[in-house]
Amino acid sequence: SAVISQKPSRDICQRGTSLTIQCQVDSQVTMMFWYRQQPGQSLTLIATANQGSEATYESGFVIDKFPISRPNLTFSTLTVSNMSPEDSSIYLCSVGLLEHAEETQYFGPGTRLLVL
Amino acid sequence: SQKIEQNSEALNIQEGKTATLTCNYTNYSPAYLQWYRQDPGRGPVFLLLIRENEKEKRKERLKVTFDTTLKQSLFHITASQPADSATYLCALTYSSASKIIFGSGTRLSIRP
Repeated sequence: SAVISQKPSRDICQRGTSLTIQCQVDSQVTMMFWYRQQPGQSLTLIATANQGSEATYESGFVIDKFPISRPNLTFSTLTVSNMSPEDSSIYLCSVGLLEHAEETQYFGPGTRLLVL
Repeated sequence: SQKIEQNSEALNIQEGKTATLTCNYTNYSPAYLQWYRQDPGRGPVFLLLIRENEKEKRKERLKVTFDTTLKQSLFHITASQPADSATYLCALTYSSASKIIFGSGTRLSIRP
């Protein structure tokens, strides 16, 4: 298993500003992911954070809006840039682990973002 | 594109009964299907994984079935308890290296 922490747990931001969310894992992992979950909605994958290379973004998400860093195997950051009220959501970090030949994901507690 | 359908309406069950949640998907079958539990204000927690060549899997009071003909998975909680109240998410993976696609979840409420 893995224990994942995220900072901040919540924030209220003004439109046009940027927020960087940190994700820390208690062990070295290869796969780290960033998701967004809007109220009552499914989790939507933003990108896969790759250590030592650029993140891989899903359709509808771009690096200029959601820059991601992955400086090592235990840490990643997601920045939400030039925020608008539509960016209000919960942002979740997760890691993929292979346990008993089965790949599962462990999630952080999430960062609740409100943009005014 | 692949779609996952979970009942968006909340499911209310009397304590002690079996709760059954449904996950339907379109297009081709995934390599494996997972179920997660999510409590308010928290990230999802992994519960069970079932592979496409498995019909059924159990873990304590939980049982998952996977029917690739019907393109459906059922998630059962037997002897349900109020502590089982949460949102349950179905998720599909198409290979060990591919991303996980989540359904929107079904909220389950167990009344005493």
